[in-house]
Amino acid sequence: DAKTTQPNSMESNEEEPVHLPCNHSTISGTDYIHWYRQLPSQGPEYVIHGLTSNVNNRMASLAIAEDRKSSTLILHRATLRDAAVYYCIWMGYSTLTFGKGTMLLVSP
Amino acid sequence: KAGVTQTPRYLIKTRGQQVTLSCSPISGHRSVSWYQQTPGQGLQFLFEYFSETQRNKGNFPGRFSGRQFSNSRSEMNVSTLELGDSALYLCASSLAKYSGGKNTGELFFGEGSRLTVL
Repeated sequence: DAKTTQPNSMESNEEEPVHLPCNHSTISGTDYIHWYRQLPSQGPEYVIHGLTSNVNNRMASLAIAEDRKSSTLILHRATLRDAAVYYCIWMGYSTLTFGKGTMLLVSP
Repeated sequence: KAGVTQTPRYLIKTRGQQVTLSCSPISGHRSVSWYQQTPGQGLQFLFEYFSETQRNKGNFPGRFSGRQFSNSRSEMNVSTLELGDSALYLCASSLAKYSGGKNTGELFFGEGSRLTVL
């Protein structure tokens, strides 16, 4: 199974950095790691993805461990609009399991 | 450009009935995938279509089926509905960048079709 493990919830204060961890110990060498987030009453929204090296975009950074068994999504300065459920998934060939994700709570 | 459109947004059915949900992908996207989201199981992958062919399938019974048309629009059908089929059904489209047989492209999700089975 394309299984990922994430903490159920995390809390942050506004303007502070947030590091959201994900364990994907059974990932294969060619599977990309994707992160999506879901705000209430909306479909998931793409955040970032990568294969081996760290990746940056306007929304976040993705740090991938050298052995690729884990990754960390970094929000450099959390805002109230970042409060959402964050899903780490890896795009395996025949299975795609989002898991329960991490609910990020952001306090003003 | 227009996003992924799913219809209907809400529907109520009774056990034993069947339902068809529709998904119009973003223009130019040839891959469409479907997901079921429930509070207990989270987001689960149903199937993926590319150029009218099913490429991948999740672990769901045969009551769940889908198809894709030549214009990339997709439908999914659930027959003989059960109470446990109550869920938010999400569709996502993608440019489908296949690498090693796997779609590595970014997924764009619709807002979903919320099905309630009574």
